[in-house]
Amino acid sequence: DTAVSQTPKYLVTQMGNDKSIKCEQNLGHDTMYWYKQDSKKFLKIMFSYNNKELIINETVPNRFSPKSPDKAHLNLHINSLELGDSAVYFCASSQTLYRGRTLNTEAFFGQGTRLTVV
Amino acid sequence: GENVEQHPSTLSVQEGDSAVIKCTYSDSASNYFPWYKQELGKRPQLIIDIRSNVGEKKDQRIAVTLNKTAKHFSLHITETQPEDSAVYFCAASIHSGGSNYKLTFGKGTLLTVNP
Repeated sequence: DTAVSQTPKYLVTQMGNDKSIKCEQNLGHDTMYWYKQDSKKFLKIMFSYNNKELIINETVPNRFSPKSPDKAHLNLHINSLELGDSAVYFCASSQTLYRGRTLNTEAFFGQGTRLTVV
Repeated sequence: GENVEQHPSTLSVQEGDSAVIKCTYSDSASNYFPWYKQELGKRPQLIIDIRSNVGEKKDQRIAVTLNKTAKHFSLHITETQPEDSAVYFCAASIHSGGSNYKLTFGKGTLLTVNP
């Protein structure tokens, strides 16, 4: 009954490989995100999608390609993996509210995917 | 873009003491300020948030204050307990039209509560 679920939880792969991380949310939220948390624990946004539409694309190498088949899913595909891609990747979702003005709400995070590139 | 600075990066307190973590933000358009707690190996989870039309908010042992003029906000934890030990992240969110939100995080504070 997990609200935001990511798979796999752990991913160990060799340099140069292509891998995907899947994310699904059952909260009915309209916005989903990918964050990267490096070894120093910094949380940096990579992408944001609202209703399947790309909203935010930070300075991320184009080897990273998000795909949102519907508003409940946001998958992350990474081509030609490099050592520096090793990190924990968090998916998150939130809901846009409209109460006279547009409000954003808390982001719910998935459990994270620890990617290790060797 | 928005820049969020968080201090200190590490904080060690004795059980029962108070802990204060401070953040500043750069973009005056930011209007939502959540705080997340991340225990070791787990996901960040919201513990408290505040909006720009409020100056202070309290939830049991946790309180957050916001000074919009100075563009800083703080997390206060009273009567700390060992289970409060975690990394705490502040964040600032800007709504820049339509559904364009950007939640920018501070670099985190590792809080250790010593029994």
